[in-house]
Amino acid sequence: EDQVTQSPEALRLQEGESSSLNCSYTVSGLRGLFWYRQDPGKGPEFLFTLYSAGEEKEKERLKATLTKKESFLHITAPKPEDSATYLCAVQDGNNRLAFGKGNQVVVIP
Amino acid sequence: KAGVTQTPRYLIKTRGQQVTLSCSPISGHRSVSWYQQTPGQGLQFLFEYFSETQRNKGNFPGRFSGRQFSNSRSEMNVSTLELGDSALYLCASSFGGQPTYEQYFGPGTRLTVT
Repeated sequence: EDQVTQSPEALRLQEGESSSLNCSYTVSGLRGLFWYRQDPGKGPEFLFTLYSAGEEKEKERLKATLTKKESFLHITAPKPEDSATYLCAVQDGNNRLAFGKGNQVVVIP
Repeated sequence: KAGVTQTPRYLIKTRGQQVTLSCSPISGHRSVSWYQQTPGQGLQFLFEYFSETQRNKGNFPGRFSGRQFSNSRSEMNVSTLELGDSALYLCASSFGGQPTYEQYFGPGTRLTVT
């Protein structure tokens, strides 16, 4: 069974204090790893897809990287509007999707 | 461009009843996926429909079913509701073709079972 573990569960950052979120996974036949952002009371918002080890994607202050066992979401110089829960998910060889429990990030002004 | 819409937004049902939730995807999107989100289990994949056919299915009992219409709109049905079915039900759409989860989510339907 596919497993996705995200750490830390919760993180409080000062504005401008860079940090990284971790997503470790066990999956049969990885077809893609996805990062989403979810704000309270809303559906998740797609951020990135990573397909193979060594791949990196960037969007504004966010950068996602992938190895064979884990992915990192780096948040550089965060702002209060980056406060959200960040969700990691993997697509397996049968095209099913498994999510982690999320990283809840709070950025303090 | 209109986003994914879900109706109703909130629903209260009694144990043993059944419920139908509706999802209208973004125009041009042919794939619709459904998810259950609870504080304890997080987001869990229910199933995915593409061109009116169920293409993928998660590990949920047969009480959970769905369908997709020719206009790509989708419905999800839960029969014989249990207290544990209380959750936020999310649908998401994507263009389709090769299965991918680069998808756009709706705001969800909050189901409470009493």
